[in-house]
Amino acid sequence: KQEVTQIPAALSVPEGENLVLNCSFTDSAIYNLQWFRQDPGKGLTSLLLIQSSQREQTSGRLNASLDKSSGRSTLYIAASQPGDSATYLCAVGWRGSTLGRLYFGRGTQLTVWP
Amino acid sequence: NAGVTQTPKFQVLKTGQSMTLQCAQDMNHEYMSWYRQDPGMGLRLIHYSVGAGITDQGEVPNGYNVSRSTTEDFPLRLLSAAPSQTSVYFCASRPDRIVGTDTQYFGPGTRLTVL
Repeated sequence: KQEVTQIPAALSVPEGENLVLNCSFTDSAIYNLQWFRQDPGKGLTSLLLIQSSQREQTSGRLNASLDKSSGRSTLYIAASQPGDSATYLCAVGWRGSTLGRLYFGRGTQLTVWP
Repeated sequence: NAGVTQTPKFQVLKTGQSMTLQCAQDMNHEYMSWYRQDPGMGLRLIHYSVGAGITDQGEVPNGYNVSRSTTEDFPLRLLSAAPSQTSVYFCASRPDRIVGTDTQYFGPGTRLTVL
């Protein structure tokens, strides 16, 4: 069964800390993996997309890595800010599954306090 | 571009009522889909479409119908609302109908309560 798990479910840190959010998945035959941000009452915003042939992607203070063999991805947030407070969702697209379907984790709720 | 738009933002229905959630995108994307998000669960795929006139079922299709008469619009119809359909509904699109390489763009969501 294809599953995506995110740990921790919630995280509260002071401003300025470097953070690591974890995502694990059950099958290495993936097309890609995406990290999304969701603000309360809002839709999802794509942060980073990693193709199955890539090891990492970077955007500003965000860096996402992918290790297919171990079924893991990490989202690294450098020098966290209160504006980073949101829920972060990991989503995987698997080969052979329903066309275009993304499998989502339950998310990590991040709070960065000043 | 407005991106992916959804209407209404909020809706309250009584059990047994029907309604249509609207979704539109102005990016000429081939692939569109509907997800629902429930507390403590990840988003789950309801229906999807790879182009005008082509739709198919996702993981949780029961109680929902879709149609795709144009590239831009992908409405989701609740046939006879039930309390179990209380959820937040997201519409998403991406450029290509082929699985793999591109980002999905999500709308702001419709928050539906069925009493």
